[in-house]
Amino acid sequence: QKEVEQNSGPLSVPEGAIASLNCTYSDRGSQSFFWYRQYSGKSPELIMSIYSNGDKEDGRFTAQLNKASQYVSLLIRDSQPSDSATYLCAVVSGNTPLVFGKGTRLSVIA
Amino acid sequence: DTGVSQDPRHKITKRGQNVTFRCDPISEHNRLYWYRQTLGQGPEFLTYFQNEAQLEKSRLLSDRFSAERPKGSFSTLEIQRTEQGDSAMYLCASSPRGRMNTGELFFGEGSRLTVL
Repeated sequence: QKEVEQNSGPLSVPEGAIASLNCTYSDRGSQSFFWYRQYSGKSPELIMSIYSNGDKEDGRFTAQLNKASQYVSLLIRDSQPSDSATYLCAVVSGNTPLVFGKGTRLSVIA
Repeated sequence: DTGVSQDPRHKITKRGQNVTFRCDPISEHNRLYWYRQTLGQGPEFLTYFQNEAQLEKSRLLSDRFSAERPKGSFSTLEIQRTEQGDSAMYLCASSPRGRMNTGELFFGEGSRLTVL
């Protein structure tokens, strides 16, 4: 059973701070990694993808991947109240469909 | 808007009844997925199609669940003899043609099922 683990939170950060969200996965053969954002009552929306070790930056978001440690993270710089949502880590292994973690609830306090 | 469309958005039914959900994917997407999500959990994979072929079905999916995509366009998910444990949000997603092993899914707004 391929698993994706996340701390459910809530993670509370003040406005303007850096939010750090973490995820571990069980299948060492996983090759594609994704972060989805889900606002309350809405469906998930893809915000970042990462395929190789290291950092990938997109605006205020940075995804980090360490395959040796089976660890993925998402950093949100200059956090805004509008970033308050649940962040889902998701992983693809081989030909299997996307496997999601339970998500981490982020609350950005103004 | 040409996003993923799901119908109905909400369904309340009594235990033992059958329900059917419909999903219309983004038109040029050849892969279509069904996920289920309950409160406080991430989406759980149910099944997926490439064109009209159903390529994988979760072992968690009981025989009461069936999905079709007859012409490789829209898909239906039917739940027979519903149980209270079937209450959840049923999410449909599609992904673009030509991308293997993609995790870049575009989700619809979901169909919320409540079984009384």
